[in-house]
Amino acid sequence: AQKITQTQPGMFVQEKEAVTLDCTYDTSDQSYGLFWYKQPSSGEMIFLIYQGSYDEQNATEGRYSLNFQKARKSANLVISASQLGDSAMYFCAMREVFSGGYNKLIFGAGTRLAVHP
Amino acid sequence: DGGITQSPKYLFRKEGQNVTLSCEQNLNHDAMYWYRQDPGQGLRLIYYSQIVNDFQKGDIAEGYSVSREKKESFPLTVTSAQKNPTAFYLCASTGTGPYQPQHFGDGTRLSIL
Repeated sequence: AQKITQTQPGMFVQEKEAVTLDCTYDTSDQSYGLFWYKQPSSGEMIFLIYQGSYDEQNATEGRYSLNFQKARKSANLVISASQLGDSAMYFCAMREVFSGGYNKLIFGAGTRLAVHP
Repeated sequence: DGGITQSPKYLFRKEGQNVTLSCEQNLNHDAMYWYRQDPGQGLRLIYYSQIVNDFQKGDIAEGYSVSREKKESFPLTVTSAQKNPTAFYLCASTGTGPYQPQHFGDGTRLSIL
């Protein structure tokens, strides 16, 4: 079974600095997708960035980038130039696809990021 | 604007009572999902549906029921059999293709009276 591990329960960073949130995964599939979501204190889940297992380049979306190391099975999220509004929970997730075309996301436990002024 | 609407935002349940959480989407997505989130934890899948009139149990389906009579709607009923229903419930949907992100509603917070 697939598994997502986020080993940092909490992180803090100074405003305007970069921060890396760790995510490791376990799967026997050759084709898979990895997602990062942000959850502010209000509760909604906001999609940030996606990385496919066959993508040759690391994904980037504005200040977010994904440091994808396939051999190490890691997909760390890098947030550059942190802002106060980046303070939130961050979840790493993997798409699990199985017979019948069904698919679902497996989520990690999350990392709470606090950005300090 | 397209999106997912969950209602109500807050819900209170009495002992022995069934309650239904609403989830409606206008994204024309085929697949819909219900997740439960306990404080400080990740999301756990309750039920999911790939198409109308079809749904599958997720990891923690006991004490919950769903229906999928319309593509746009995927209501979740928390039954009296669910002994610890206090949690944050999130509905999601996704488009065709395995690498489409799931889009989430704003969630419903359910508490026991």
